[in-house]
Amino acid sequence: QSALTQPPSASGSPGQSVTISCSGTTNDIGVYNYVSWYQHHPRKAPKLIISEVSKRPSGVPHRFSGSKSGNTASLTVSGLQAEDEADYYCSAYAGSNFWVFGGGTKLTVL
Amino acid sequence: QITLKESGPTVVKPTQTLTLTCTFSGFSLSTSGVGVGWIRQPPGKALEWLAVIFWSDDKRYSPSLKSRLTITKDTSKNQVVLTMTNMDPVDTATYYCAHTLSTTWTLDFWGQGTLVTVSS
Repeated sequence: QSALTQPPSASGSPGQSVTISCSGTTNDIGVYNYVSWYQHHPRKAPKLIISEVSKRPSGVPHRFSGSKSGNTASLTVSGLQAEDEADYYCSAYAGSNFWVFGGGTKLTVL
Repeated sequence: QITLKESGPTVVKPTQTLTLTCTFSGFSLSTSGVGVGWIRQPPGKALEWLAVIFWSDDKRYSPSLKSRLTITKDTSKNQVVLTMTNMDPVDTATYYCAHTLSTTWTLDFWGQGTLVTVSS
């Protein structure tokens, strides 16, 4: 059982928007604004796409956006493209436990 | 450009000690705020944070694995080494190292990972 809860799967057609949720607690997402999202293609290094809840690193398309409300963070992918098909993981800083992760969401572009 | 690469055995026997090395470039572990963490992912399961070491030599461990883990750094070689004792088949996983900054608490650059199988 993961510390953060994500839906195991999500899907959308090209051009549509998809939102993936990440539920935590008052010990992690609820208290710190250090939520990250990673895109992971098989046999590749996980790629940071959102840091500190909503910041996009250089080179990450504007189609990716993040937000947080209470103990839940969300990743929205707008204008879905075929290359967005991947596993997505959320992560949160949790103080003395440092980092906790979600179980991952497999995003399928239909 | 920051890069990290994990290396170590692909197979270890139960009860043995695993030693993994993270060799990095593009940053220095002597720079204030910089850290390197280790994370693993068992097949089909979620990511799990294991340990982190900072420029100051401050070391932190996952509470559930603390008794089995040791993390060290060699700043001159740009390497971080993780050892895990008493390996068990449940420790079979892809092991990743990643760069972090204490100002953002984000694991922002990752290696490709190395698959370690625990089997007799």
